[in-house]
Amino acid sequence: AQSVAQPEDQVNVAEGNPLTVKCTYSVSGNPYLFWYVQYPNRGLQFLLKYITGDNLVKGSYGFEAEFNKSQTSFHLKKPSALVSDSALYFCAVRDMTDSGSARQLTFGSGTQLTVLP
Amino acid sequence: DTAVSQTPKYLVTQMGNDKSIKCEQNLGHDTMYWYKQDSKKFLKIMFSYNNKELIINETVPNRFSPKSPDKAHLNLHINSLELGDSAVYFCASSYRDTDFGGNTIYFGEGSWLTVV
Repeated sequence: AQSVAQPEDQVNVAEGNPLTVKCTYSVSGNPYLFWYVQYPNRGLQFLLKYITGDNLVKGSYGFEAEFNKSQTSFHLKKPSALVSDSALYFCAVRDMTDSGSARQLTFGSGTQLTVLP
Repeated sequence: DTAVSQTPKYLVTQMGNDKSIKCEQNLGHDTMYWYKQDSKKFLKIMFSYNNKELIINETVPNRFSPKSPDKAHLNLHINSLELGDSAVYFCASSYRDTDFGGNTIYFGEGSWLTVV
């Protein structure tokens, strides 16, 4: 079974400061990892994903995430936060070794990011 | 150019009614999904279809019935609506996920269902 943990329900950061949204995962094999963002009353928008290769993945809107296999983490980062980054962020995982109906994307519980002006 | 579109966006209905949510994707994807987001924002998959074939059918009451007339459409019909069905329902799509689990899933804007 696969699972994702986002240990912080809420993250507050001042505009211009770096931000980190934490994510840890558990899979039997190797993971595919994703980050999505949800603005109020909107759908989920894809930010970035890790499939294989370079552990540092760059995505949309200046976000990046670092895959750390030893710590089973995939934290989302941005060097300088904007007020417009305020939203709900979801981490998600799929196990590479799963197949068929077992191959489903499992989401974390979400982290509300608030960037203060 | 809306990639994954679902209608209606907002739906308020009485208990016991039957309602449908429609979904269409113009991305050329083979796999379509329905996800449910509850009041605590928790997301859980309900169904997934590969080219009109049901692949995933999570523990969902049989009052919920997906229908895929073709690979670009996946509709959700809900019978005898209950208060607990109030949630946001997201349609989504991706390239064939049974081939490659790393395909990105793209979501629609959601349908906010309120049962009163």
